[in-house]
Amino acid sequence: GAVVSQHPSRVICKSGTSVKIECRSLDFQATTMFWYRQFPKQSLMLMATSNEGSKATYEQGVEKDKFLINHASLTLSTLTVTSAHPEDSSFYICSAPRLAGGRYNEQFFGPGTRLTVL
Amino acid sequence: SQQGEEDPQALSIQEGENATMNCSYKTSINNLQWYRQNSGRGLVHLILIRSNEREKHSGRLRVTLDTSKKSSSLLITASRAADTASYFCATVFNDYKLSFGAGTTVTVRA
Repeated sequence: GAVVSQHPSRVICKSGTSVKIECRSLDFQATTMFWYRQFPKQSLMLMATSNEGSKATYEQGVEKDKFLINHASLTLSTLTVTSAHPEDSSFYICSAPRLAGGRYNEQFFGPGTRLTVL
Repeated sequence: SQQGEEDPQALSIQEGENATMNCSYKTSINNLQWYRQNSGRGLVHLILIRSNEREKHSGRLRVTLDTSKKSSSLLITASRAADTASYFCATVFNDYKLSFGAGTTVTVRA
């Protein structure tokens, strides 16, 4: 199956610093990628849709200046958590849909990044 | 925004037993998908069922979809300890966005 990677898998940072998380589709091109956040024992909440070559679209309540998204190529999207605070500590997961024969197929998820802000 | 509700929230069964979990949603969908998540890991796609399908099988998994009731069920037969995980349903409307349910945590006791 298709593979989506994330880097880093874990990151611990001090409050006020910025953290960049990378999401790569390893064997297919993804014009669209999604970023989710998951708090402990909760479900995934969609944060934003990353669009290659254009601005990301953010879900209601997600600060675009706080969570910067760049989709620089067909295989890479980055999420930068700016001026991180302890409440930003969470599990961040990206996903990329892959079409098969023009039909929607399935989404492939990265392994997630555990962010801890001290 | 989330639109799926799952029940039960948690399920504990003996190895070899079947596990059934349900998912309800609110709006029309294009397809519905089930995912598994092991603790602290990413999601693994299990099965996708389209809105014009009623039942689908994959190995020990059986998924049903009732669009009139806006509900789906996932059955895991002959459960194994390795099936211990959280299971999420996710609906897709008319784009690629997934809207996840709250999830069911399944514990399979050896």
